[in-house]
Amino acid sequence: SYELTQPPSVSVSPGQTARITCSGDALPKKYAYWYQQKSGQAPVLVIYEDSKRPSGIPERFSGSSSGTMATLTISGAQVEDEADYYCYSTDSSGNRVFGTGTKVTVL
Amino acid sequence: EVQLVESGGGLVQPGRSLRLSCSASGFTFSSYAIYWVRQAPGKGLEYVSVISSNGGSTYYADSVKGRFTISRDNSKNTLYLQMSSLRAEDTALYYCAKDDISGIYPDYWGQGTLVTVSS
Repeated sequence: SYELTQPPSVSVSPGQTARITCSGDALPKKYAYWYQQKSGQAPVLVIYEDSKRPSGIPERFSGSSSGTMATLTISGAQVEDEADYYCYSTDSSGNRVFGTGTKVTVL
Repeated sequence: EVQLVESGGGLVQPGRSLRLSCSASGFTFSSYAIYWVRQAPGKGLEYVSVISSNGGSTYYADSVKGRFTISRDNSKNTLYLQMSSLRAEDTALYYCAKDDISGIYPDYWGQGTLVTVSS
């Protein structure tokens, strides 16, 4: 089955830049999406179609994709950005899958 | 404001059945596909199933295919997940989530309902 692989954890100091990667074989042809999940809360969409930001999401969140890797970047990370982040995409058959998840620590 | 409220979770014995519901408001329910996504305690998100806006098309993850059935009642703005032959590994928080209209990804999520499968 299709897999999207993320690093288990990323640490960043406040004000610095955090980059979270998502690797998948179908990403050259399929969009990546990113969700933020804070402790005890439901996921929130922060990036769609590789690099678009929904309304209400701070500009410090950005996305990009190249080849088999998509990247979520948090520029000038804030303490409130501490959360789990999941990428999401589909495979060539349309099967939907979430990435393995990355815990972002801001300290 | 989009609202999705799940219900029906609880403690159930292995091999038994349970039906989850998701009540929607704040958008035209009949125009959007809806997903079920689950999260086992301390684990990541797992796609479970999705149903098209008119209910005519349904898709399932391999892990639940043949055991779970997704359905909807557009007259009641309600989504369902009938779960049968439940296993310990089905223990999770079950979220319903609204599609963005593309049919590809969810954009708004409910708060989830907890299903615990244990004897």
